Amino acid sequence: GAGVSQSPSNKVTEKGKDVELRCDPISGHTALYWYRQSLGQGLEFLIYFQGNSAPDKSGLPSDRFSAERTGGSVSTLTIQRTQQEDSAVYLCASSSPLGVTRTEQYFGPGTRLTVT
Amino acid sequence: AQSVAQPEDQVNVAEGNPLTVKCTYSVSGNPYLFWYVQYPNRGLQFLLKYITGDNLVKGSYGFEAEFNKSQTSFHLKKPSALVSDSALYFCAVRTNNYGQNFVFGPGTRLSVLP
Repeated sequence: GAGVSQSPSNKVTEKGKDVELRCDPISGHTALYWYRQSLGQGLEFLIYFQGNSAPDKSGLPSDRFSAERTGGSVSTLTIQRTQQEDSAVYLCASSSPLGVTRTEQYFGPGTRLTVT
Repeated sequence: AQSVAQPEDQVNVAEGNPLTVKCTYSVSGNPYLFWYVQYPNRGLQFLLKYITGDNLVKGSYGFEAEFNKSQTSFHLKKPSALVSDSALYFCAVRTNNYGQNFVFGPGTRLSVLP
């Protein structure tokens, strides 16, 4: 079946512009996660959705970052007034509601954001 | 608070030799432990997990990991490394708490030399 998809795959934007990154989770997956990964580095947690609510958004680095999820499916991560330090790969993952805390995450291919 | 440590940034091993990538964790409660692999320019792929039961779990591509509760470790192993195993490996932990998230380790870069 289809995996997690993300769009765009690459985004180049000018400093100060707003960007929207999209994540389509696997159908039926109620949990959705956003991470940020700098080149070849570890994962930085951003936000976690269970359904449309976000039990944990502690990782959002500033109020320029926001995320929403509607209909328990697609999620959008918005970065306002982008800065060069926002350049990274943004990864989305989803997981099944069955035994929700026991299931692994399935990751999308990521969106590479470059702020010039 | 949950935390995961991967004490080695880089592991080098010769092809055909056994490999070990180390992971230790700290949680309150029973841990659920996961290993993921990231090949160059790719997203993360699930390798294996420990939830309960047998301490030795087997996963994809011939990898296995052993849960050791007393040492709070979950080391990833493979009896015979392949050059194609070269990648970035992440250990992750969570608990049976609905609101809690996964916590990932910093990653270990494995290089298998021909």
